[in-house]
Amino acid sequence: AQSVTQPDIHITVSEGASLELRCNYSYGATPYLFWYVQSPGQGLQLLLKYFSGDTLVQGIKGFEAEFKRSQSSFNLRKPSVHWSDAAEYFCAVGGDDYKLSFGAGTTVTVRA
Amino acid sequence: GAVVSQHPSRVICKSGTSVKIECRSLDFQATTMFWYRQFPKQSLMLMATSNEGSKATYEQGVEKDKFLINHASLTLSTLTVTSAHPEDSSFYICSARGASNQPQHFGDGTRLSIL
Repeated sequence: AQSVTQPDIHITVSEGASLELRCNYSYGATPYLFWYVQSPGQGLQLLLKYFSGDTLVQGIKGFEAEFKRSQSSFNLRKPSVHWSDAAEYFCAVGGDDYKLSFGAGTTVTVRA
Repeated sequence: GAVVSQHPSRVICKSGTSVKIECRSLDFQATTMFWYRQFPKQSLMLMATSNEGSKATYEQGVEKDKFLINHASLTLSTLTVTSAHPEDSSFYICSARGASNQPQHFGDGTRLSIL
């Protein structure tokens, strides 16, 4: 069975500071990994994905994530947070059937 | 690219009504579409997976007679909540995936409120 753990329910960060969101997954084979962002009352927007190859993945809006197989992790980072980054962030894992399992989400609050 | 449109964005209706939600891939052909349900402050729960021209595959615990899914074309899937009751009130989100090695792209969701 596949599963995702996002240990941090809520993170508050100052504008301009760096951000790291943690994601640990459980999957029997090589996973497909994703980070999505959701604004209130909206659907999900794909930030980045990992299928294979380079373990450091660049995404939109200045986000990046690193796949570490040994740690079963896929943490999301951004060097300098903007107020518009305040949202809910979901990590997801999937396989060849492309069915996704989502983590519980991390709410990011940005303070001025 | 990869835009998924979901309609309507919000529905309020009386108990016992059936409600249809549409999910369209606007600029790509969706091999597979997925339907999720999201409760407030919670993650997305996969309800069913549908492939064009075939019956949907429902996740365990999801009533297929309550949540009817039709995927009649490569750009359209519909979810019909039949005889809806207040406990069916939720945020429903669809996603669509095109060719292999492509991620799911999500619609903006439908807020369903049953009075």
